[in-house]
Amino acid sequence: SQQGEEDPQALSIQEGENATMNCSYKTSINNLQWYRQNSGRGLVHLILIRSNEREKHSGRLRVTLDTSKKSSSLLITASRAADTASYFCALRPNFGNEKLTFGTGTRLTIIP
Amino acid sequence: DTAVSQTPKYLVTQMGNDKSIKCEQNLGHDTMYWYKQDSKKFLKIMFSYNNKELIINETVPNRFSPKSPDKAHLNLHINSLELGDSAVYFCASSQDRPDRGGDTIYFGEGSWLTVV
Repeated sequence: SQQGEEDPQALSIQEGENATMNCSYKTSINNLQWYRQNSGRGLVHLILIRSNEREKHSGRLRVTLDTSKKSSSLLITASRAADTASYFCALRPNFGNEKLTFGTGTRLTIIP
Repeated sequence: DTAVSQTPKYLVTQMGNDKSIKCEQNLGHDTMYWYKQDSKKFLKIMFSYNNKELIINETVPNRFSPKSPDKAHLNLHINSLELGDSAVYFCASSQDRPDRGGDTIYFGEGSWLTVV
């Protein structure tokens, strides 16, 4: 399978705490992307990390990539109620037509 | 000034009917997509067009037919709807085609299709 698998499937934390989500995959990738989906809405791109990068930051988001372990993590610091959403990792493989494939997401709930 | 807009947002229809979902993007992108998201949130690509050319056609029943009149529009027509077609269908676009690193994908808000 070329899709990533997010872990955990669901996560509930108190507002202000940090949230960490993980994505594991099996294929060779060109890049890995994280998307957010609010309930009843479309997916929104958060951050892209390329296979030769190890860490990227964007505001309160921090993404790491370990290609030797074929895994990535998304850290949201100082969580807010508005961060409640599903978070998906998406893989851009190195071969074939390189279409982006999505996992089934982590459902994050921030408790006020 | 919505970037990727699709209509209708909600669609309830009976089995056997034919329906269409329309999509337009005003981002000037060359590539457009249709994705299907099932009840378990699994998002799967169905089709992709680049400048009106079909470049990705996944294993989708031929009851589903995409039409791209120009690079800013990609419509999805579904014939003889079945119960299993109930899902959320997302239109999306990217600057470039997937095999040339068309990286960030911009999604529409989704069309909730319910077949009864």
